Amino acid sequence: DAKTTQPTSMDCAEGRAANLPCNHSTISGNEYVYWYRQIHSQGPQYIIHGLKNNETNEMASLIITEDRKSSTLILPHATLRDTAVYYCIVRPGGAGSYQLTFGKGTKLSVIP
Amino acid sequence: EAGVTQFPSHSVIEKGQTVTLRCDPISGHDNLYWYRRVMGKEIKFLLHFVKESKQDESGMPNNRFLAERTGGTYSTLKVQPAELEDSGVYFCASSQGSGSPLHFGNGTRLTVT
Repeated sequence: DAKTTQPTSMDCAEGRAANLPCNHSTISGNEYVYWYRQIHSQGPQYIIHGLKNNETNEMASLIITEDRKSSTLILPHATLRDTAVYYCIVRPGGAGSYQLTFGKGTKLSVIP
Repeated sequence: EAGVTQFPSHSVIEKGQTVTLRCDPISGHDNLYWYRRVMGKEIKFLLHFVKESKQDESGMPNNRFLAERTGGTYSTLKVQPAELEDSGVYFCASSQGSGSPLHFGNGTRLTVT
């Protein structure tokens, strides 16, 4: 599976957009970019995923560069409840797609 | 829709004892997964069921761990006998298809003393 690189930590002011970067320069053509987050004492929570097009849902937007070597998760209006560890994961499509490989993630702190 | 539920939320046992963790997936999800995070480490895959069949158990650490999913509904993960290094948080997840997003429960925190 392709490896991902994320900053260890980031701060964001409450109400502002949080932009979390991820590098996945060895991503293959059939691999998806997934984002999960883990709020303290809870299980990982699915946020969004994409292959090559930008995606948006009620939680966040995912921007994937044209060469697919990096992506950015955007939380448009961060709240204190968005404080969590955010994981960028590259996941193969097709056979063997079920495993998620978690790294260390980015610890996002939303500041009042 | 009820999410993935795990029981118990916490378990404290002595070394050498047996513990059984239970996971109820989201209704209708054929795929069920176990993951765990041991102290200071990253979340790691343990195994994957499709209905009642083990699709992949490559992440199971050793034969002290036994996972079952009789009838293809809920699953149990038994640790026998428990060792100190088994302490950690055990997460269960489910998905509709093997390529669909996984939805996780809140985990069982296991402490072996």
